[in-house]
Amino acid sequence: KAGVTQTPRYLIKTRGQQVTLSCSPISGHRSVSWYQQTPGQGLQFLFEYFSETQRNKGNFPGRFSGRQFSNSRSEMNVSTLELGDSALYLCASSVEQGANTGELFFGEGSRLTVL
Amino acid sequence: SQQGEEDPQALSIQEGENATMNCSYKTSINNLQWYRQNSGRGLVHLILIRSNEREKHSGRLRVTLDTSKKSSSLLITASRAADTASYFCATVHVINTGTASKLTFGTGTRLQVTL
Repeated sequence: KAGVTQTPRYLIKTRGQQVTLSCSPISGHRSVSWYQQTPGQGLQFLFEYFSETQRNKGNFPGRFSGRQFSNSRSEMNVSTLELGDSALYLCASSVEQGANTGELFFGEGSRLTVL
Repeated sequence: SQQGEEDPQALSIQEGENATMNCSYKTSINNLQWYRQNSGRGLVHLILIRSNEREKHSGRLRVTLDTSKKSSSLLITASRAADTASYFCATVHVINTGTASKLTFGTGTRLQVTL
């Protein structure tokens, strides 16, 4: 069974630009979560999607958005990039959503550098 | 903000020794999970312990949970150089019964196992 696939793996952008990251979950998984990882803040929860609906959102500005498609694939978008957005963005999928949250399966991440 | 704080932040041991990492959290949880991350890669799930469990084993891993102290520990026995990685605890707390919950990660412990 293929794992969680994130694209692109690496990208470089300049301030003010926007970026779209893609995540393909494990087949059969309906929940996709996104995390931002930086040396200073650690792993911060961005949002979770389940069956195309955003179920939960972290404390990030509106520049960070996402969506999920009917095939469970997800994208996240960051507009008007700032230097502080440089991070490893991790996507994770799981079978269930809600109070029975169990194991998350992570992709290898998309490393974004903002110059 | 981080739910969990891990201790120590960094740990260096020799191959064959045991490694113990601790995690403290702030609010009531549904379950607690431990993940491992090799440098710059995605996270890999190690073990999940539910709030009504006190101890769990998986291979060379032993996890304990003390809900009265809001703390957990991860013990890796007979460590190997390949265990070198960062280890994170993650807590799941129910926001509303039957609806979204999320994994909130701790700050992580960097483990270095030398030959």
